[in-house]
Amino acid sequence: DAGVTQSPTHLIKTRGQQVTLRCSPKSGHDTVSWYQQALGQGPQFIFQYYEEEERQRGNFPDRFSGHQFPNYSSELNVNALLLGDSALYLCASSLESINYGYTFGSGTRLTVV
Amino acid sequence: QQQVKQSPQSLIVQKGGISIINCAYENTAFDYFPWYQQFPGKGPALLIAIRPDVSEKKEGRFTISFNKSAKQFSLHIMDSQPGDSATYFCAASMSSGYSTLTFGKGTMLLVSP
Repeated sequence: DAGVTQSPTHLIKTRGQQVTLRCSPKSGHDTVSWYQQALGQGPQFIFQYYEEEERQRGNFPDRFSGHQFPNYSSELNVNALLLGDSALYLCASSLESINYGYTFGSGTRLTVV
Repeated sequence: QQQVKQSPQSLIVQKGGISIINCAYENTAFDYFPWYQQFPGKGPALLIAIRPDVSEKKEGRFTISFNKSAKQFSLHIMDSQPGDSATYFCAASMSSGYSTLTFGKGTMLLVSP
C-alpha cells in the first residue's frame, strides 16, 4: 500500500521563478495538507485542501497557492520565489472523518538560488 | 508567535539510557498531542500521541507524560538505542474546526553506542 508520494524529490530554482510541487495522498485519504519545513525547524502549516477547496490557510503570502484534483492529488505552487522559500515541502494526507490520522510524504527539497 | 515550545534543541544519550524531551503549549484549545520521529531525507512519522483526558500513555519503549494544569507534555524513550537517533517533534492540534498540526522546533537525538 503506497503511502504519500511527492514529486520531485529535489528541485533547484532561481529567484523570481515559479515552482509546482505535486502530491499523491495515501490510498483512501481525501484531505491534503501542505507544510513548509525550513532547515532546523519544525514543519509550518501552509494550507489544507478538501473536496477540491482550500479550507484553511496558515500565515503564508498569496504567492503560495494550491489545488486539489478530483482524484484527491494536490499541487503546491509558489510564485516569485525568494531565497527564503528554500525549504523541505511536506505533503500530509488524512481522512476528513478522522481528524488525526496524518501520513506525511518524504517531501520535496526546494533550493532557491 | 510560537505556540508549542520544545526543549532541548539537541540531546546525546548513551545506549540503554533514557531520553527525555519536553514541550509546552499555550493554546488551551489544543486537545491532541502527537510526537513525530523524522530521519534525514524522510518525512515525519507518527510515533505516539495522547489526549488530555489521560496523564500518561505508553507504547513499548516510548511514553508520553501529560500535565494539563502546567500545559506541558514530554516524551520518554526508555532503553535508548542507536536506531532511535533522529529528530523528534512534538505537535498539538484541536479537534474543533479543521485539524492542523502546530509543531515544536524539534530535538535532534543522538544515541551513542
